[in-house]
Amino acid sequence: DADVTQTPRNRITKTGKRIMLECSQTKGHDRMYWYRQDPGLGLRLIYYSFDVKDINKGEISDGYSVSRQAQAKFSLSLESAIPNQTALYFCATSEGSVETQYFGPGTRLLVL
Amino acid sequence: GEDVEQSLFLSVREGDSSVINCTYTDSSSTYLYWYKQEPGAGLQLLTYIFSNMDMKQDQRLTVLLNKKDKHLSLRIADTQTGDSAIYFCAESTGGFKTIFGAGTRLFVKA
Repeated sequence: DADVTQTPRNRITKTGKRIMLECSQTKGHDRMYWYRQDPGLGLRLIYYSFDVKDINKGEISDGYSVSRQAQAKFSLSLESAIPNQTALYFCATSEGSVETQYFGPGTRLLVL
Repeated sequence: GEDVEQSLFLSVREGDSSVINCTYTDSSSTYLYWYKQEPGAGLQLLTYIFSNMDMKQDQRLTVLLNKKDKHLSLRIADTQTGDSAIYFCAESTGGFKTIFGAGTRLFVKA
């Protein structure tokens, strides 16, 4: 079984709709992250959490919110989706001093 | 601010060596990484190097770090078609945050 899972894998939604992307992990890591990937721009950090009570904004948090429901679960919400939020979204976890990141398979989101 | 730059495309013939280059700006980086992304999948760590090392070799992979020039490279020996993927350079700048480059798409021609 995958250590980091994301649901849904693909989603099409309309402008103005609220949607939630979910991430679960079985690695037991405290640190979790949400990134978006756009062609030519690489990965950009949206939000990160170092434990259940710790939530931090990344470089592109506007238009997004997160919830850390448990150590294993970290959800990303788009309150009112807009077309330029069309992207590939990745959840990741990490631990230890080497800071290796473990990625989920991604959610492909299309906002019409 | 922190930035990681790499070229977007590289094409090589099967059996040749591939060299993917990266430059970074944060001189206080502790670890530098290479991740691989295959189609339809998330990123997976290929290898990493601690900032006080110059070189690290792992089977077909050789990582070279020039701290003075803030330059990192990944050499893949005997490149195979299965090596076709996007390769991301990344640096850990402390505070448990990782900065990723835009990724280099490697095409391997049979």
